Amino acid sequence: AQKVTQAQTEISVVEKEDVTLDCVYETRDTTYYLFWYKQPPSGELVFLIRRNSFDEQNEISGRYSWNFQKSTSSFNFTITASQVVDSAVYFCALSRNFGNEKLTFGTGTRLTIIP
Amino acid sequence: GAGVSQTPSNKVTEKGKYVELRCDPISGHTALYWYRQSLGQGPEFLIYFQGTGAADDSGLPNDRFFAVRPEGSVSTLKIQRTERGDSAVYLCASSLRGGQVYNEQFFGPGTRLTVL
Repeated sequence: AQKVTQAQTEISVVEKEDVTLDCVYETRDTTYYLFWYKQPPSGELVFLIRRNSFDEQNEISGRYSWNFQKSTSSFNFTITASQVVDSAVYFCALSRNFGNEKLTFGTGTRLTIIP
Repeated sequence: GAGVSQTPSNKVTEKGKYVELRCDPISGHTALYWYRQSLGQGPEFLIYFQGTGAADDSGLPNDRFFAVRPEGSVSTLKIQRTERGDSAVYLCASSLRGGQVYNEQFFGPGTRLTVL
């Protein structure tokens, strides 16, 4: 069985601060995919990143960066210089390493950026 | 091009009634998924279609829930004898045909179902 844990239910930071969202996963598969999605107040899930378990390199995209550590089964997400528009619920998710596999989501972290 | 669309955006019904929720996937996407998101939770998988057939329906909670995709495009999620616990946002996603290559799931805006 697969499981994703996002222990941080809610986080509030002041604008321009850096913030890290934690994600810990469990799977018996040796290969898998990890994801982060953003769900703004409008409700639609927005894809942010997919990472194959083969690739443990960290990734940076603008103000966003992701730290994948297979040894601790973690896939953390950092927003640098946060902005009010970053306020949303963020979900970490996991799927098996086959095409068209279902996603297993965590419970999400509600991030509020205070102006 | 157009994204995944879902209708209605909101549905209020009474306990015991039957409801249908519709999903229009992105044109050309052969894979279609239904998820359910309860308040304060992450989306939970319900069912996955590849073409017209249900490839994985392991997430359907009980036999009151049923989904169809008769022509391999539009899908309808059907809930019989609705219960208050069925209240949630029902999300649909679609992706290109898979195989060994992962194809991104694109999500619709969801249908908010409220059972009174």
